Amino acid sequence: GENVEQHPSTLSVQEGDSAVIKCTYSDSASNYFPWYKQELGKRPQLIIDIRSNVGEKKDQRIAVTLNKTAKHFSLHITETQPEDSAVYFCAARDPGANSKLTFGKGITLSVRP
Amino acid sequence: DTEVTQTPKHLVMGMTNKKSLKCEQHMGHRAMYWYKQKAKKPPELMFVYSYEKLSINESVPSRFSPECPNSSLLNLHLHALQPEDSALYLCASSREMNTEAFFGQGTRLTVV
Repeated sequence: GENVEQHPSTLSVQEGDSAVIKCTYSDSASNYFPWYKQELGKRPQLIIDIRSNVGEKKDQRIAVTLNKTAKHFSLHITETQPEDSAVYFCAARDPGANSKLTFGKGITLSVRP
Repeated sequence: DTEVTQTPKHLVMGMTNKKSLKCEQHMGHRAMYWYKQKAKKPPELMFVYSYEKLSINESVPSRFSPECPNSSLLNLHLHALQPEDSALYLCASSREMNTEAFFGQGTRLTVV
C-alpha cells in the first residue's frame, strides 16, 4: 500500500517569511495529492490539491509542486501570517476504484509574530 | 449548502451505553466517510460508503456499526466502546470516491 512521509514534523517561521513543507510517497500509481490544514480543535480543511498531470498549482499565498520522478510534493506558503499556524497534513491517493487517501503524519507550523 | 454537518459536537458515554453519531450533507455527494482522529495524529479511515453501499471497512471492530440510510445521511452506531476509543470522529463526503473530500467539524467522543 501507499506510504506517505512528511518532513519535518515541526516548523517555526517568522511572520512574513516563507514556509515549505515536504512529503514523499511510495506508490508511483498515486495521482492525487491534497493538503489539509487543521487548526486546533477544528476540522481538517482542504486548502489546495494537485493531480499528477500538473507540476505546480497556485492559489494566492499557497502553492503546491509535484515531482513525479522523485515521488515528492511540497506545500509553499509565502508571506506567512500568524493565522497560518496549524497542523498541515499531506495525503496521496491511487487511481483505483476503491482508492483511499493515505495521510502523512502532519507537521505543526508555528508563525511567530 | 456546502457543509458537512455532524451531531453531536461532544459526547460522553459509558462503556455499556449505546449511542449514535450523525452526519449529513446536502451537496449531492455520493461518497461518505468515517474517520477516527487521535490527538496529534492524522485522520484514520474507518468506513467508506459509495452510492449508499459500504465500499471499504478498514477492519474496524464490530462495536462500531455504520449505516447509510440515504444519500445525504451517514450514521455511526456505537456499542460497548472502550476508553481507548475516545477520539475525534470525523465524517467526510466527496462527489465520488476519487474526488476531493470535505470534512465535517467532528464529534469529540469520550468513553468513560
